[in-house]
Amino acid sequence: SAVISQKPSRDICQRGTSLTIQCQVDSQVTMMFWYRQQPGQSLTLIATANQGSEATYESGFVIDKFPISRPNLTFSTLTVSNMSPEDSSIYLCSVLVGSGELFFGEGSRLTVL
Amino acid sequence: GQQVMQIPQYQHVQEGEDFTTYCNSSTTLSNIQWYKQRPGGHPVFLIQLVKSGEVKKQKRLTFQFGEAKKNSSLHITATQTTDVGTYFCWSSGNTGKLIFGQGTTLQVKP
Repeated sequence: SAVISQKPSRDICQRGTSLTIQCQVDSQVTMMFWYRQQPGQSLTLIATANQGSEATYESGFVIDKFPISRPNLTFSTLTVSNMSPEDSSIYLCSVLVGSGELFFGEGSRLTVL
Repeated sequence: GQQVMQIPQYQHVQEGEDFTTYCNSSTTLSNIQWYKQRPGGHPVFLIQLVKSGEVKKQKRLTFQFGEAKKNSSLHITATQTTDVGTYFCWSSGNTGKLIFGQGTTLQVKP
């Protein structure tokens, strides 16, 4: 299993600013992901955070808008840059453990005014 | 691209009634997992199915993986108010791409 600490849990931000979300795992994991979940919707994969190299982004998501860092196997950050109200969402980090299960952080609820 | 379609989107049942959600893929899945997300919470792993035709049970929950490994179902017998939440299927597909179904939100009236 894995215990994930994600922060902030929520934030209200002004348009045009940037917010960095942190994800700390209690064990070393190879696969770490960032998801976005808009109200009442499913989870959309933003990117796979790769340790020591650039993240792998899914279609519709770009590094300039969602820069990701993964300095080691237990920590990652996601930045939401130049925010607009359309970026209001819940952002979740997730890790894939050896058994094939996904474990999620508690999520960061972002509201952009 | 590969998609996993999940139906229904919403289901309202009376406590004690049964509930089923279905996931269907256009291509063969290497495995399928089911997750439950309570209101305001994050998804929590329920089960993984790997084999063709596999059936697994957890108390009142029954999970099935189709013979062709293109569909799966989650059935809850005699729902309780604690079953409220959104149920997602998730698969790595056969391309390694990670795919969540759209989710089925279950409401249970006491």
